[in-house]
Amino acid sequence: DTEVTQTPKHLVMGMTNKKSLKCEQHMGHRAMYWYKQKAKKPPELMFVYSYEKLSINESVPSRFSPECPNSSLLNLHLHALQPEDSALYLCASSQEGTSVEQYFGPGTRLTVT
Amino acid sequence: GQQLNQSPQSMFIQEGEDVSMNCTSSSIFNTWLWYKQDPGEGPVLLIALYKAGELTSNGRLTAQFGITRKDSFLNISASIPSDVGIYFCAGPSTSGTYKYIFGTGTRLKVLA
Repeated sequence: DTEVTQTPKHLVMGMTNKKSLKCEQHMGHRAMYWYKQKAKKPPELMFVYSYEKLSINESVPSRFSPECPNSSLLNLHLHALQPEDSALYLCASSQEGTSVEQYFGPGTRLTVT
Repeated sequence: GQQLNQSPQSMFIQEGEDVSMNCTSSSIFNTWLWYKQDPGEGPVLLIALYKAGELTSNGRLTAQFGITRKDSFLNISASIPSDVGIYFCAGPSTSGTYKYIFGTGTRLKVLA
């Protein structure tokens, strides 16, 4: 099973709202990722968690706040977003150490109004 | 910095035709991965390559790890309408295995 699930599938939020994106995997992977993808562009890395600890933050604005409550779950908390933050947000996971293969979820399509 | 360039940028083909696309870099990669992304969905891993010269198949897909380690190729035989999508190559950055460098993508459209 190489499934990563993400909820919600679609999200529309105003610039003053607070919302969260959720990601889950049950493959025993200990590295989890958040990516942002704009139309017709490759995914851009935002955050990496390794063993539930934040390992990489690609200089992402603080209005995006990641959280890894346990080894299977990854959240992305959103607050005071801008219209330019509208994008497809992808979660991915990989085995630690031995493999570079990342498995992606279906994404959350976020629209900021 | 490291970059991956894919060609062609887009292609329109007839159903049943074979497809070839490639991914090139000015720097060496030790791993090449090929992903397919359908509109509004996440990328799906198709093939992973770990050794220079390696040729790996997954159904109608065949990918090769170039001998120079600076390129990789993906071929699709007997294309079908569900092959439509964007194909990305990717490889781990020299700054760490967590960080992928993604190619610019090849957009494939299949005409029935």
